[in-house]
Parts: sequence; structure tokens; C-alpha cells
Amino acid sequence: AQSVTQPDIHITVSEGASLELRCNYSYGATPYLFWYVQSPGQGLQLLLKYFSGDTLVQGIKGFEAEFKRSQSSFNLRKPSVHWSDAAEYFCAALHTGGFKTIFGAGTRLFVKA
Amino acid sequence: DARVTQTPRHKVTEMGQEVTMRCQPILGHNTVFWYRQTMMQGLELLAYFRNRAPLDDSGMPKDRFSAEMPDATLATLKIQPSEPRDSAVYFCASGARGRLAFFGQGTRLTVV
Repeated sequence: AQSVTQPDIHITVSEGASLELRCNYSYGATPYLFWYVQSPGQGLQLLLKYFSGDTLVQGIKGFEAEFKRSQSSFNLRKPSVHWSDAAEYFCAALHTGGFKTIFGAGTRLFVKA
Repeated sequence: DARVTQTPRHKVTEMGQEVTMRCQPILGHNTVFWYRQTMMQGLELLAYFRNRAPLDDSGMPKDRFSAEMPDATLATLKIQPSEPRDSAVYFCASGARGRLAFFGQGTRLTVV
């Protein structure tokens, strides 16, 4: 069955420290991959997406993600976290040619001063 | 600044009452999704419309939920009768060429 796994329910990092959020997918073929961020009381905002090509994808707000086919992973990174990055982050996948985007359970990021 | 607009933002209703949630997709987007978000289940796809036609609503409880797109600028999700287990945040999202792109801010529904 197609699935998206985010192994970490929550992560705490210090402001200014680097961040990596993990995401693994299980699909028959490489799907389209996405990262979304959700602030409290808000909808999900697209940070970045991977369709094909360069495996390092740049997104908004200084985020990037690296697609690794061998590991079926699409981890999100940021070199220096700001307090405003505290939110919930969702990894998602869409089968090429399909329409049903499947979301991971989310990772809540806490940022400490 | 194009955005998906959902109304109402919050709704508290009594069990058994009808609830209607509305969504205005981004102009020009031909694809509309309805998702439900709960702590236990996360984000679940309820329905999917393309060019106003419902292509998949297998995620919706058919006996009480219905989704429609009366025109290209309005999508509705209706629950009748509502139950406490329907309490959740309901998101509408729209996109072009069949792909999800932008989420609305959601309707937080509480059924008491």
C-alpha cells in the first residue's frame, strides 16, 4: 500500500541550529513529493516539491529537501532555524498520473531560545 | 494574492443539525479537494472534483456527507445529520491540471 512515514512526531531545536525532518515513502514508482507547513489555526502551505530532475530542491523560507531514491526518502532541511519556523510539517506524496495526495502524520517542530 | 477561501472559519452545532461548509477555489483552478484533519487520523481525503465533476468521494461517509460544485467558483460540503465524531477541521484545496496546490484556512467544526 502507498504510504508516507514521518518517523518523528515532534522535534525540538534551538534557534539558529540546523534542522532535518525525516520522510520516507512507500510507492511502486517514485511519486511526486511535497513538504507542507501548517501554523496553528491555518491551512497547509506548500514549502517545496519534487517532480523529477535535480534531487536537491529549494523551497520557500530557506528550506530545502533532498530526494534519495535508494533510501526512499525526502528529508527536509534548514541550515538555521528561526523561532517563526515553529509549526507542524507534513510530507506528502502523489502517484504520477494520480490525484490522491497522501500525507504523513506530521512532525511538530518546537524552537527554543 | 490568490487564495482559497473557506466559510465559516468556525462552526459549533448540535448533534443532528445540518452543516454546510463552503469553499471558493482559486480562480482558474479546475481541481478541488476536501480534506478532513483530526488528531487521530491526520489528513484524510474526503472528495475530489475535477472540472466540477466528482471523480472520487470514496473517503466520505455516504449516508451523511455530500459534496457538490454548483459552479466553478463554489464547492460545498454538507453533513446531515451531524454527529460528534464529525468534529474536525475541514480543508478545501484547489489546484490546476489535477494537482493539489493551495489549501484554504479550514473550517473548524465542533458538534456537541
